[in-house]
Parts: sequence; C-alpha cells; structure tokens
Amino acid sequence: GENVEQHPSTLSVQEGDSAVIKCTYSDSASNYFPWYKQELGKRPQLIIDIRSNVGEKKDQRIAVTLNKTAKHFSLHITETQPEDSAVYFCAASKGYGNKLVFGAGTILRVKS
Amino acid sequence: DVKVTQSSRYLVKRTGEKVFLECVQDMDHENMFWYRQDPGLGLRLIYFSYDVKMKEKGDIPEGYSVSREKKERFSLILESASTNQTSMYLCASSLRGFRSQPQHFGDGTRLSIL
Repeated sequence: GENVEQHPSTLSVQEGDSAVIKCTYSDSASNYFPWYKQELGKRPQLIIDIRSNVGEKKDQRIAVTLNKTAKHFSLHITETQPEDSAVYFCAASKGYGNKLVFGAGTILRVKS
Repeated sequence: DVKVTQSSRYLVKRTGEKVFLECVQDMDHENMFWYRQDPGLGLRLIYFSYDVKMKEKGDIPEGYSVSREKKERFSLILESASTNQTSMYLCASSLRGFRSQPQHFGDGTRLSIL
C-alpha cells in the first residue's frame, strides 16, 4: 500500500524566515496531495492541496510543489509568523474512496 | 461552512467496556472516515464509509467496528476497550467524486482507557 514519509519531524525558524517541509510517497498512482495544519488542541485544517496534473500551486505565503518523477512534494511557507506555529501533515490519495495516507507530521515552531 | 461534530471531546472508560464514538456532519457528504492520531505516527485510518450501510477497513481496523445507518452519522465502536486504544480519535467527511475531495475534520475525541 501507499507509504508517505515526512521530514523533518521538528523545524524551528526565526520569524520572517522561510520554512520547507518535504514528503515522499511510494505509490505512483497517487494523484492528490493535501496539506493540513493542526494548531494545539484544534482540528486539522486543509491549508493547500495539489493534484498530479499541476507542478506548483501558491496561495499567498504558502506554496506546494510536486515532482511526480521523484515522487515527492513540498510545502513552502515564506515570511513565517508566530501564528504559523503548528503541526503540519502531508497526505496522498489515489482517489479510490478518497482514502488519504498521512505523513507522521512536522512540528513547526516560529520564534519571534 | 462544513461542520463535523464529534459527540465528546474527552472520554474515560475502563478496559473491557464497549465504547461508542459518534460523529455527525451537516453537509450531506457521502464519505466519512475515522482516524486515530498518536504522536509520531500521524493520522492512521481505522475505517471509512462511502455510503449508508457501506464500510471498508482502513489500515488499523483490529479491535474496532463502525456503523453508518444514516448518511450524516458515522459511529466508531470499540467492542472491548483495551489500554492500547488510548488515543485521539478524529472523524472526517468529504464529498464523493471522480477526483479526490478535501476532507473536513471534527475536533476529535481524546479517549483514555484505564
């Protein structure tokens, strides 16, 4: 089955710096890659997603890139702010039943 | 806005008890999911359902069952609770479509089995 690996497990950056989180997936049939942000004590919330027919997608300070050949995708956050501090999860789906396989998560700390 | 409501935020039960976790969504979504979340392991799929009375096993179904009698409600059942089922349980829902659709999560139930 699909396996998603996520790195790093923790990331500390200074406010204003950029943060990059990387995920690799094993199943080349996967075609949908969402990213979720989970603040402490709250529900995971979708922040951006990308489909396999697109190489890059951007939404204000957040961008996601996808390399299908290498089977990896990355989340880029620019100009980080303290409110970006959270756990971030990547996931992959082949579409069947909309099943998602999640990475283990990255704890992002933005120091002010 | 999609609302996924889980019946309890915190729950404490004893080993051997039968435990019910309830989830309701108000957006007429076909797909519903139950995950458990453990530190360092991410979210792991227990069961999912893509229609009323339909269910499919996820990656870690052992020790769990589910029920979907109505479209808006998806229940997770721990038949005989054990301490290794102490975890955060998250419910999610999504539209069913030809392409994968975003999943919307509830606030979670933190379950402790003593």
